Amino acid sequence: EAGVAQSPRYKIIEKRQSVAFWCNPISGHATLYWYQQILGQGPKLLIQFQNNGVVDDSQLPKDRFSAERLKGVDSTLKIQPAKLEDSAVYLCASSLDRFTDTQYFGPGTRLTVL
Amino acid sequence: AQSVTQLGSHVSVSEGALVLLRCNYSSSVPPYLFWYVQYPNQGLQLLLKYTSAATLVKGINGFEAEFKKSETSFHLTKPSAHMRDAAEYFCAVSDSDSSYKLIFGSGTRLLVRP
Repeated sequence: EAGVAQSPRYKIIEKRQSVAFWCNPISGHATLYWYQQILGQGPKLLIQFQNNGVVDDSQLPKDRFSAERLKGVDSTLKIQPAKLEDSAVYLCASSLDRFTDTQYFGPGTRLTVL
Repeated sequence: AQSVTQLGSHVSVSEGALVLLRCNYSSSVPPYLFWYVQYPNQGLQLLLKYTSAATLVKGINGFEAEFKKSETSFHLTKPSAHMRDAAEYFCAVSDSDSSYKLIFGSGTRLLVRP
């Protein structure tokens, strides 16, 4: 089966610009996650969707980050305006349900903010 | 609050030697525990997970981990390292108190010397 797809793989922008990342989860997976992985750290959950509803966005910097999952399938994460500290790898993951099921990760988008 | 501590940001072993990557967790309720591997420029791949069944968990690529409640540990081992095992390894915990959100450690980079 196809895995989690993400694009673009790499993005370089200047601070105060905006950027968007796209994720297509594994077919049939109801739950979708966005993680931020700063160099030298483990991934940190930004937002979790169950179908097209938000389950947890407690660690999403809502003044600059937004995410949507229209139609309960693919998802977009946006940053506007970007700051230097947003430089990180943004990982998308999906799972069948929101509890103990395995999360499958995409290859990530590496963002560099100059 | 849940947390994961991975001792040693870098571990170096010779090819054929025992691999031991340490993970200690903090959780006030029965945890689920995971080990993920991340190869360069790729997303995370699940190696194994503990979900309250057998305390010794066998995963892919010859890895296994043992859940020790008294020590709050979930160390990852492999009897004989191979060059292809060189990667970053992340331990993660989830439980009902965190709504089963994955909390990752900071990772251990495994280097395998020929």
